[in-house]
Amino acid sequence: AQSVAQPEDQVNVAEGNPLTVKCTYSVSGNPYLFWYVQYPNRGLQFLLKYITGDNLVKGSYGFEAEFNKSQTSFHLKKPSALVSDSALYFCAVSGFKSGNTPLVFGKGTRLSVIA
Amino acid sequence: NAGVTQTPKFRVLKTGQSMTLLCAQDMNHEYMYWYRQDPGMGLRLIHYSVGEGTTAKGEVPDGYNVSRLKKQNFLLGLESAAPSQTSVYFCAIGNHRDRKGYTFGSGTRLTVV
Repeated sequence: AQSVAQPEDQVNVAEGNPLTVKCTYSVSGNPYLFWYVQYPNRGLQFLLKYITGDNLVKGSYGFEAEFNKSQTSFHLKKPSALVSDSALYFCAVSGFKSGNTPLVFGKGTRLSVIA
Repeated sequence: NAGVTQTPKFRVLKTGQSMTLLCAQDMNHEYMYWYRQDPGMGLRLIHYSVGEGTTAKGEVPDGYNVSRLKKQNFLLGLESAAPSQTSVYFCAIGNHRDRKGYTFGSGTRLTVV
């Protein structure tokens, strides 16, 4: 079975500082990994996706994520946080061997960027 | 969220009442999903469909039924609503192999009193 863990319910960071939102996963075989963002009263929006290739994936709004196979992690990062980055962030996984099995989402991490 | 429309956006039900949530897409995608979002629980899959006329159970299917009679519509039904079904419901379309994965609707906020 596939699963995702986001160990932090809340991450606080000062504006201009780098941010990291953590995600670890469990899946059979190679993974598809995603990050989505949810702003208040909105649906989830795609940020970035990892399939294969470079371990550093660049996405929307200056976000990037680092895939680490040995640690089964896919942490979301941004070099300089903005107040407008404050939102709820979800990591999701599926596997190359999973067929039509839907994405499994983590519980979400609330990012608060303080001016 | 272009392409995926959920109706209604808000609803208050009394315990025991029934209702149907509608998800409509104009992207001609085979795969559609219903998730519920609860604080501290993240997104949990209720039911999904891999094509017209097909449905499958997700992680939390009890108390819900679904139908996919037309490709563009995926209906989620609550036959006898319970307070535990108070949640925000999201419809999504797509496949993890798609370039951006899933496209989500804007959600339905349901309160059962």
